[in-house]
Amino acid sequence: GAVVSQHPSWVICKSGTSVKIECRSLDFQATTMFWYRQFPKQSLMLMATSNEGSKATYEQGVEKDKFLINHASLTLSTLTVTSAHPEDSSFYICSASDPSSPSTDTQYFGPGTRLTVL
Amino acid sequence: GQQLNQSPQSMFIQEGEDVSMNCTSSSIFNTWLWYKQDPGEGPVLLIALYKAGELTSNGRLTAQFGITRKDSFLNISASIPSDVGIYFCAGIIQGAQKLVFGQGTRLTINP
Repeated sequence: GAVVSQHPSWVICKSGTSVKIECRSLDFQATTMFWYRQFPKQSLMLMATSNEGSKATYEQGVEKDKFLINHASLTLSTLTVTSAHPEDSSFYICSASDPSSPSTDTQYFGPGTRLTVL
Repeated sequence: GQQLNQSPQSMFIQEGEDVSMNCTSSSIFNTWLWYKQDPGEGPVLLIALYKAGELTSNGRLTAQFGITRKDSFLNISASIPSDVGIYFCAGIIQGAQKLVFGQGTRLTINP
């Protein structure tokens, strides 16, 4: 149980284009999903918390207009990197919390999406 | 903000050896989680701890939630090559949804 998928697993795009990453909870309904960014050899950095049907809460220093998050259903959240630039190249990972688990705050992670901006 | 100090940062061991790593904090946590991350993959939940003093096993892995609620350790017994990876501890403070992550422990196993 508690499986989270991401699509695509990797993407290469040109500078100035927008890229959408999907995060799905496959066998549970996730009221809350999270988006992280990870740089090489570092820990995960939380970008935003997304609750179904409401606006995402962004961490300090994360540009809302740059990283658009939509959580339209209980099983799908999307992250759109708008007007991507090479410095946006990174590993993006989503997670979801399962309301039916012993701790509703336990997060289950997707496999990640490697974004490379040329 | 809250921080988790995870140690050691890296470990180089022989196959078959036992491994121990821990996380400490000045903050009190309600939940401790241990994840393993392989290269190019997302973290996978290994063990979740919800009560102070709780000791939980998952195969060769054992983790404990410290009595003070400010620390946790993870032990791996009889290591095998597939244990190679980065292990992260993460804590959740009461009333908060966010995870606070440790810096990670990179485990390398010599055959």
